[in-house]
Amino acid sequence: GAVVSQHPSRVICKSGTSVKIECRSLDFQATTMFWYRQFPKKSLMLMATSNEGSKATYEQGVEKDKFLINHASLTLSTLTVTSAHPEDSSFYICSARFPVGASDTQYFGPGTRLTVL
Amino acid sequence: AQKITQTQPGMFVQEKEAVTLDCTYDTSDPSYGLFWYKQPSSGEMIFLIYQGSYDQQNATEGRYSLNFQKARKSANLVISASQLGDSAMYFCAMREGQGAQKLVFGQGTRLTINP
Repeated sequence: GAVVSQHPSRVICKSGTSVKIECRSLDFQATTMFWYRQFPKKSLMLMATSNEGSKATYEQGVEKDKFLINHASLTLSTLTVTSAHPEDSSFYICSARFPVGASDTQYFGPGTRLTVL
Repeated sequence: AQKITQTQPGMFVQEKEAVTLDCTYDTSDPSYGLFWYKQPSSGEMIFLIYQGSYDQQNATEGRYSLNFQKARKSANLVISASQLGDSAMYFCAMREGQGAQKLVFGQGTRLTINP
């Protein structure tokens, strides 16, 4: 149980285009999902918290107009990188909150490697 | 101030040996949770083990155990009988407060198991 998928796993796009990344909880309903960014050899940086049916909560310094998050259902959250630039190239990873038991654990997707040319 | 500190950027261990990965944390909230995740080179984050601040016993999950020393604010991960497949990045994380959802991650430790 508690499987999270992410699609695509890898995407290469031209500068100025938009890219959509999907995060799905496959065997449980996730009212809350999280989006992280990870630079090479670095830790995970939380970008935003995505709550089903409401607006996402962005961390300080994250541009909400650039990183659009939609959590339209209990099993799907999407991150759209708008007008992507080379500095947006990174590893993006989502997680879904599995609120069962005391641990209330986040389970992660496999990540999406974005390369902007 | 750093909420989660992992002081070992890299660790090298012989196969079948036990290994301890250090993690210290900083919080004034009496209610918190501590997590360890494994990130292989493929990039996925794999949940390993959880310890709640009110848990009386150290958490264990198979070959993983958490050495929880509350007074010292440390939550070290112990991997027994290490295997080649244990080579990966390991991240310690904390969730603060009752009902909180956000995780704060440490910088990670790269563990390499030598045959």
